[in-house]
Amino acid sequence: DAKTTQPPSMDCAEGRAANLPCNHSTISGNEYVYWYRQIHSQGPQYIIHGLKNNETNEMASLIITEDRKSSTLILPHATLRDTAVYYCIVSGTGANSKLTFGKGITLSVRP
Amino acid sequence: KAGVTQTPRYLIKTRGQQVTLSCSPISGHRSVSWYQQTPGQGLQFLFEYFSETQRNKGNFPGRFSGRQFSNSRSEMNVSTLELGDSALYLCASSSARPEGFYGYTFGSGTRLTVV
Repeated sequence: DAKTTQPPSMDCAEGRAANLPCNHSTISGNEYVYWYRQIHSQGPQYIIHGLKNNETNEMASLIITEDRKSSTLILPHATLRDTAVYYCIVSGTGANSKLTFGKGITLSVRP
Repeated sequence: KAGVTQTPRYLIKTRGQQVTLSCSPISGHRSVSWYQQTPGQGLQFLFEYFSETQRNKGNFPGRFSGRQFSNSRSEMNVSTLELGDSALYLCASSSARPEGFYGYTFGSGTRLTVV
């Protein structure tokens, strides 16, 4: 599985958009980008995933660059409950695919 | 629909004992994976079971084992517990392949403390 690079932490003001970057320069053509988040002591929660097109759901938007070497998770209106560790993961779809978690980025939403 | 259920939520064991943790996946999910999470090492993949067969394995000693039943429920066992096995153990289920791997749904975990 390809590796990802995320800054260790960032913060944003409540109500503002939170843009979380991720680099995955060695991503393969058939590998997806997944985003999960983990609120303290809970299991990771799926947010969104994409292959090469931008994706949006009720939680967030995922913007993937044209060369697919980086992506940005956007939380459009961050709330205090969005404070969590966010993991960007790259994974294929083959039988042996799995999610390999890095250290993630700690997002702190301030009032 | 019901999520991934892990039991028990909390467990305290003594060094040298063994422990069995249980996971019930989302209905229809045939793949169950297990992760260990510690403050120092983060989330680490233990193994994955699909249709009662171990299909993928992480880099853990043989003291860590698992199995999957015909109803897709899974158990993991840790024998001869060590203090370093204290961790949050997470189970995740995913939809069957080859329709596609679309990520996991995680349970809330079992917090194991070894004393």
